[in-house]
Amino acid sequence: AQRVTQPEKLLSVFKGAPVELKCNYSYSGSPELFWYVQYSRQRLQLLLRHISRESIKGFTADLNKGETSFHLKKPFAQEEDSAMYYCALIRSFGAGTTVTVRA
Amino acid sequence: DAGITQSPRHKVTETGTPVTLRCHQTENHRYMYWYRQDPGHGLRLIHYSYGVKDTDKGEVSDGYSVSRSKTEDFLLTLESATSSQTSVYFCAMSPGQDPQETQYFGPGTRLLVL
Repeated sequence: AQRVTQPEKLLSVFKGAPVELKCNYSYSGSPELFWYVQYSRQRLQLLLRHISRESIKGFTADLNKGETSFHLKKPFAQEEDSAMYYCALIRSFGAGTTVTVRA
Repeated sequence: DAGITQSPRHKVTETGTPVTLRCHQTENHRYMYWYRQDPGHGLRLIHYSYGVKDTDKGEVSDGYSVSRSKTEDFLLTLESATSSQTSVYFCAMSPGQDPQETQYFGPGTRLLVL
């Protein structure tokens, strides 16, 4: 069985500060992990996926198999980053983290 | 975004009535999913489909049924709606070469069961 845990429901940071969203997973196979984002009044959309190793909108995420984590990071948060973020493993989603970036 | 749509977008219904939500895609994607989104729970999978007439249960399937008679349509039915089924329902699709693929989401349906 797979499980995704996002321990932080809410995260508030100042503009320009670093932001890190935590994601831990349990899965016996080789995981394919995703981060999805939902901006206000918009549908969920892919932010990035583990396999592509891309940096999207300044966000990166590293898969750490030893710690079973896939934390999302951005060195300098922007106001437009305010949104709900979901970590996902196949068809299992975490509970989501609401990020608010304050001016 | 227009590749996957949901109808209705908003619905208010009464306890005990049947409700059907429709998801329609124009991408010929193999996989389709129904999730519900609730505060504190995130997205939870209700049912999914891996082809016409091929469906399987998700984490929270009790009280829900689905049908997929055509590639482009995936219907979610609440046989007898209850207040606990008040939620936002999202449909999603993925191409189907690999179960571990990016999902593309519809705009959501807000359902209120009184």
